[in-house]
Amino acid sequence: NAGVTQTPKFRVLKTGQSMTLLCAQDMNHEYMYWYRQDPGMGLRLIHYSVGEGTTAKGEVPDGYNVSRLKKQNFLLGLESAAPSQTSVYFCASRGGQGWNSPLHFGNGTRLTVT
Amino acid sequence: ELKVEQNPLFLSMQEGKNYTIYCNYSTTSDRLYWYRQDPGKSLESLFVLLSNGAVKQEGRLMASLDTKARLSTLHITAAVHDLSATYFCAVDNSGNTPLVFGKGTRLSVIA
Repeated sequence: NAGVTQTPKFRVLKTGQSMTLLCAQDMNHEYMYWYRQDPGMGLRLIHYSVGEGTTAKGEVPDGYNVSRLKKQNFLLGLESAAPSQTSVYFCASRGGQGWNSPLHFGNGTRLTVT
Repeated sequence: ELKVEQNPLFLSMQEGKNYTIYCNYSTTSDRLYWYRQDPGKSLESLFVLLSNGAVKQEGRLMASLDTKARLSTLHITAAVHDLSATYFCAVDNSGNTPLVFGKGTRLSVIA
């Protein structure tokens, strides 16, 4: 049972480059989330999805786009990377009853933008 | 807007001692979660508290929820080095809205 899988684990980008982070879950969860973690800031929500084909903005959505074309996958895109987007990105999913279930986290993607 | 505050943010404690981490939140909620994160690792769910007065215990950790005070505590009993980690609390605003996390408490247990 893989749970939540994020790829890649590490990435270095130059300013202005684009990339996509992939999150895949095999638990048939409805809800999926992208957070970023920065020192002293805790986890901040970027975008989330409450089901296949839906997306919504979180606390810090600027500079990111997302898609949920399949229930098991949630993609996070950076169209033109900036140094301020250097961070650790975590994907998480949540079970069918949502509000009574904890989040299940992936192992994170460490992104550096130079 | 839901805000979640943890204190302390940093905690250095001796092995064998007891201590409490506090999590305050700003709006009505009866669903609170505690997570643990080891350095360079992902977040692991510790406790799910779903009602006023809920208490959960696992080993040397005990979590409780007082929804009237909008306060949860994570109590550490007789700390050991293996408990060194960062602990996050997170609160559900309502329904399907995403969890809001506190900034975390970095715990270091020293001999």
